[in-house]
Amino acid sequence: DTEVTQTPKHLVMGMTNKKSLKCEQHMGHRAMYWYKQKAKKPPELMFVYSYEKLSINESVPSRFSPECPNSSLLNLHLHALQPEDSALYLCASSQEGRGGTDTQYFGPGTRLTVL
Amino acid sequence: GNSVTQMEGPVTLSEEAFLTINCTYTATGYPSLFWYVQYPGEGLQLLLKATKADDKGSNKGFEATYRKETTSFHLEKGSVQVSDSAVYFCAPQSETSGSRLTFGEGTQLTVNP
Repeated sequence: DTEVTQTPKHLVMGMTNKKSLKCEQHMGHRAMYWYKQKAKKPPELMFVYSYEKLSINESVPSRFSPECPNSSLLNLHLHALQPEDSALYLCASSQEGRGGTDTQYFGPGTRLTVL
Repeated sequence: GNSVTQMEGPVTLSEEAFLTINCTYTATGYPSLFWYVQYPGEGLQLLLKATKADDKGSNKGFEATYRKETTSFHLEKGSVQVSDSAVYFCAPQSETSGSRLTFGEGTQLTVNP
């Protein structure tokens, strides 16, 4: 089973709202990722957790706050977003996140619209 | 750092035509190479991968061979179907970049009946 699940599938929020995106995997992977994908563009890496510790933050604005409660769960907390943050947010997981061949498996994404 | 040059799209083919999507890369060391596919309205799916020179990855009739001498990983399929319509991303992963994937710009493929 190579399934990564994400909820919700769609989210519409105002600029003053606080919301959270959720991601879950049950493959025993120890690395989890958040990506942002704008229309007709490749995914852009935002954060990487490896063994429940934040290992990469690609200079993401603080209005995005990741959280990894355990090795199976990954959250992305959203606050005071801007309309330009509207995008598809993808979660992925891999075995370790420490280099070498480490195949990433992606979830279906959350389509976020900021009004 | 790594970089990827991927064949520009959109590519439009008729059903049963031969497909090639070119991908060349620059990367430190000996990267692993991946092709991901994204169907409309969905996330990315791993299509195939190769981890060392001359390896051939294959899946669902698609193939790509790791060519170290030309730093290429071209995607091919002998006979495309309408259901292959999607965006295809080439992505090297260097052993020295953590587990970062460097995505190409993506190639939109449309297959007409």
